[in-house]
Amino acid sequence: ETGVTQTPRHLVMGMTNKKSLKCEQHLGHNAMYWYKQSAKKPLELMFVYSLEERVENNSVPSRFSPECPNSSHLFLHLHTLQPEDSALYLCASSQDWKYSGANVLTFGAGSRLTVL
Amino acid sequence: GQNIDQPTEMTATEGAIVQINCTYQTSGFNGLFWYQQHAGEAPTFLSYNVLDGLEEKGRFSSFLSRSKGYSYLLLKELQMKDSASYLCAPQDSNYQLIWGAGTKLIIKP
Repeated sequence: ETGVTQTPRHLVMGMTNKKSLKCEQHLGHNAMYWYKQSAKKPLELMFVYSLEERVENNSVPSRFSPECPNSSHLFLHLHTLQPEDSALYLCASSQDWKYSGANVLTFGAGSRLTVL
Repeated sequence: GQNIDQPTEMTATEGAIVQINCTYQTSGFNGLFWYQQHAGEAPTFLSYNVLDGLEEKGRFSSFLSRSKGYSYLLLKELQMKDSASYLCAPQDSNYQLIWGAGTKLIIKP
């Protein structure tokens, strides 16, 4: 496989469930990102990992917990979510983090999350 | 604060030309990106401008004026497959991307 792969593509969960989103990149990139995309709103950066170290955490509620076991894999663990957390969760990767130039992001297709 | 302004939705006719504008206010500036996102798919990179002027790439061109905090994406010879959302994203002084809400472009036959 090539590019950035996200699973599952669709997820429905209750407010008391625990689930995880998975992201895998096959591009040899050093930085990986989680974004939240809600309808008609700008992309919200949630977490950034550079060489498996978390470098950004933009005031995200603790019910979202990221994990980066190696430079190719990124997880987003979900627990006790709220209905307003329903959104498209996008994973992305780039060659480096805070690269001084055209740091192009390659996105996965996203995981559509619905919280009941 | 940091702010991006782009139209919510635009409609154009197949074969025509359309210009999608983006105005921005950021803390410092390190270039501006345009991404395309088809419904239900991943955003994909279209262009990057860091200097003033026009960058042409096939049917798509992107323009930047740093002094005016303004960019546009120009799409020529529109095709039905160009129906998508177009995201404007300047980088601030910290190389953080500041995303616009996107412009949904609808192409009609």
